[in-house]
Amino acid sequence: DGGITQSPKYLFRKEGQNVTLSCEQNLNHDAMYWYRQDPGQGLRLIYYSQIVNDFQKGDIAEGYSVSREKKESFPLTVTSAQKNPTAFYLCASSLTGVEGNQPQHFGDGTRLSIL
Amino acid sequence: AQKVTQAQTEISVVEKEDVTLDCVYETRDTTYYLFWYKQPPSGELVFLIRRNSFDEQNEISGRYSWNFQKSTSSFNFTITASQVVDSAVYFCALSGSARQLTFGSGTQLTVLP
Repeated sequence: DGGITQSPKYLFRKEGQNVTLSCEQNLNHDAMYWYRQDPGQGLRLIYYSQIVNDFQKGDIAEGYSVSREKKESFPLTVTSAQKNPTAFYLCASSLTGVEGNQPQHFGDGTRLSIL
Repeated sequence: AQKVTQAQTEISVVEKEDVTLDCVYETRDTTYYLFWYKQPPSGELVFLIRRNSFDEQNEISGRYSWNFQKSTSSFNFTITASQVVDSAVYFCALSGSARQLTFGSGTQLTVLP
């Protein structure tokens, strides 16, 4: 089945540690996105990529990094610089990102907590 | 800047009742797109509908219907004869010239048996 796979489902981070969240899609979509969701709040955009080897910062990029070496993959690294990383992280993709009118398809999310 | 407001944080209804989820948006763009997503307890967001700013026709899909009114900057979502499986968080979102989705804070709908 086509879709978006995020792993792991749950992740724990120690102080000062970098962790990487995986996101893979087999929908042949050009655009991919990372969002952060805090309790009782909507989704906030961290980073997005409209094409391989290119990505842009979203509204809350500080303390995060991404790469887009392959069309299918868009991993997110939560660095030690992100002082409040506890949240639910959602990855999404869309056919294109250029027009802004394409529905985004979401993965099941990764819940990150601090040890 | 664009903004989406979902003033209803939580709504509880009894099964078979109709329920309307409100969404009010702000944008300076003349071309924009509005979306509704459903987030069940499993966590992933499920796309429900997209509307562009030039199409004010209301839409019905089974028990779901959407009312888009540019005059009041609203894009409300009604579930008719609600069911327990409709229990979820529902998000309204807007995409404009920045081509990024701005989400509302969501409405938690609980349908009681």
